[in-house]
Amino acid sequence: TQLLEQSPQFLSIQEGENLTVYCNSSSVFSSLQWYRQEPGEGPVLLVTVVTGGEVKKLKRLTFQFGDARKDSSLHITAAQPGDTGLYLCAGTADNDKIIFGKGTRLHILP
Amino acid sequence: NAGVTQTPKFQVLKTGQSMTLQCAQDMNHEYMSWYRQDPGMGLRLIHYSVGAGITDQGEVPNGYNVSRSTTEDFPLRLLSAAPSQTSVYFCASSYSGSDTDTQYFGPGTRLTVL
Repeated sequence: TQLLEQSPQFLSIQEGENLTVYCNSSSVFSSLQWYRQEPGEGPVLLVTVVTGGEVKKLKRLTFQFGDARKDSSLHITAAQPGDTGLYLCAGTADNDKIIFGKGTRLHILP
Repeated sequence: NAGVTQTPKFQVLKTGQSMTLQCAQDMNHEYMSWYRQDPGMGLRLIHYSVGAGITDQGEVPNGYNVSRSTTEDFPLRLLSAAPSQTSVYFCASSYSGSDTDTQYFGPGTRLTVL
């Protein structure tokens, strides 16, 4: 069974600090997606990474896909309270079904 | 465009009752899916559909039925609700279901089964 492990599970930091969260697997994925979910709402897609070693930037967010396409990271520079939320990674398994990690719950303190 | 809409927003059922969670999208997407989200478990795929008339099981299909008679609608039926089905349910759609497609999620239905 393919799994996506996200770490840390919870993270609470001060505004202005930098942070990195991780999405790891023992399996190869053809692509990985990162979503952010706010309370009472559905997840919203942030980015899709496709190529091993790929780096994508979205303002203060930097996403990287591992060279072997088994892991990904999300780095946030100078975190803001608006970054607070649940960050989920997702990938398509060998059986073509989409699987999600359990998420990292991020809280930025003002 | 309204995007993906779900009704109801909240629902309380007694064990054994049946109900249908509604999901509709107005983006002409072929791929639609249902997930449940439980604390500490993440999002788990219940059923999905790659087009009208075609449905398939996801990771946790037991206790749920779906049908896809039109491109726009993808209802999820609970035939005999159980407390284990207490969860938040999300419907999602994407253009083709490709792993690089953007999935658009609805706002969710929070279901409690007593």
